[in-house]
Amino acid sequence: GAGVSQSPSNKVTEKGKDVELRCDPISGHTALYWYRQRLGQGLEFLIYFQGNSAPDKSGLPSDRFSAERTGESVSTLTIQRTQQEDSAVYLCASSFVRTSGFNEQFFGPGTRLTVL
Amino acid sequence: AQSVTQPDIHITVSEGASLELRCNYSYGATPYLFWYVQSPGQGLQLLLKYFSGDTLVQGIKGFEAEFKRSQSSFNLRKPSVHWSDAAEYFCAVGSGGYQKVTFGTGTKLQVIP
Repeated sequence: GAGVSQSPSNKVTEKGKDVELRCDPISGHTALYWYRQRLGQGLEFLIYFQGNSAPDKSGLPSDRFSAERTGESVSTLTIQRTQQEDSAVYLCASSFVRTSGFNEQFFGPGTRLTVL
Repeated sequence: AQSVTQPDIHITVSEGASLELRCNYSYGATPYLFWYVQSPGQGLQLLLKYFSGDTLVQGIKGFEAEFKRSQSSFNLRKPSVHWSDAAEYFCAVGSGGYQKVTFGTGTKLQVIP
């Protein structure tokens, strides 16, 4: 079956431009997460969606970052007025939510963003 | 707040040698613990997880990890490393509620012939 997919795989942009990153989760997964991975660092939580709602946006680094999810499926992470420090790999993960226990997150391959 | 420490940034082992990657966590309750592997250009793949029960958990690719509550540790082990194990390894801790996962900074494993 299809895993989590992300597009584009690579994005090079100029400082000050806006970018949109897309995530297609595994079908039926109601939970969706965005993470940022800077070079040589661990994963940094950005935002969590349950369905189309985002109960936790605490990881978004600034108001230049926003995300939405529609149809309990595709999610888009938008970065406005990109800065060089936004250069990173942006990873998306999805999970099926059970009523108890912990649900494994399945990760996409990521989008490598380079801001010149 | 939960946190994860992976004290070794980079480890080099010879092929066929044993491996242990260290992970220490900080979390108030019983944690959900994970090890993920990331090969170059790939997404993260779950190696193993601990939720409860037996403190020694087996994972894929011959990896195992042991949960030690007294030491707040969840070290990853493999008795004999293969060249294909060269990758970056991330330890992570999850909390209940909406199940936020906090990752360590990773350990890069190099395997030499």
